[in-house]
Amino acid sequence: DGGITQSPKYLFRKEGQNVTLSCEQNLNHDAMYWYRQDPGQGLRLIYYSQIVNDFQKGDIAEGYSVSREKKESFPLTVTSAQKNPTAFYLCASSTRSGALYGYTFGSGTRLTVV
Amino acid sequence: QKEVEQNSGPLSVPEGAIASLNCTYSDRGSQSFFWYRQYSGKSPELIMFIYSNGDKEDGRFTAQLNKASQYVSLLIRDSQPSDSATYLCAVKETSYDKVIFGPGTSLSVIP
Repeated sequence: DGGITQSPKYLFRKEGQNVTLSCEQNLNHDAMYWYRQDPGQGLRLIYYSQIVNDFQKGDIAEGYSVSREKKESFPLTVTSAQKNPTAFYLCASSTRSGALYGYTFGSGTRLTVV
Repeated sequence: QKEVEQNSGPLSVPEGAIASLNCTYSDRGSQSFFWYRQYSGKSPELIMFIYSNGDKEDGRFTAQLNKASQYVSLLIRDSQPSDSATYLCAVKETSYDKVIFGPGTSLSVIP
């Protein structure tokens, strides 16, 4: 079945540590997105990519980095520069103009700082 | 900063009633509008999208769009307890191939 796989489901980060969240899709979608969701709030865009080897900053990119070396994969690294990383992280994908038709979301990664 | 606004709720309706969820947006040129359902602890799921003024129906769900008023709504007929979730309104920006999400409205359907 086609879909988006995010891993791990739960992740714990120590202070000063970088961690990487995985996102893989087999939908043959061109565009991929990373959102952050805090309790009681909507989704805020971190980074997005519309094509391999190209990506753009979203509204809250500081403290995060991404790569898009393969069409299927869009990993997100939460660096030590992100001072408040505890949140629910959602990866999504769409066709190239798929923002017209909506996104498919992965199941999310819940990151907690310990 | 373009915005999408929703009443946070919670909105409570009895089982079998019509639930009405509302959303306003600031980007007058927006063309695509979406409703996502998000159960607690889960990821959002697309349930409706609408482009044209008027109504779009899909089963028990009806999306309504009024571009002049910059207003989009979602009606859920014959509400069921399984409809209890947070409903996110989303709008595609005019200039960019990305979507802005509202904060969501929490709906509770009381048996």
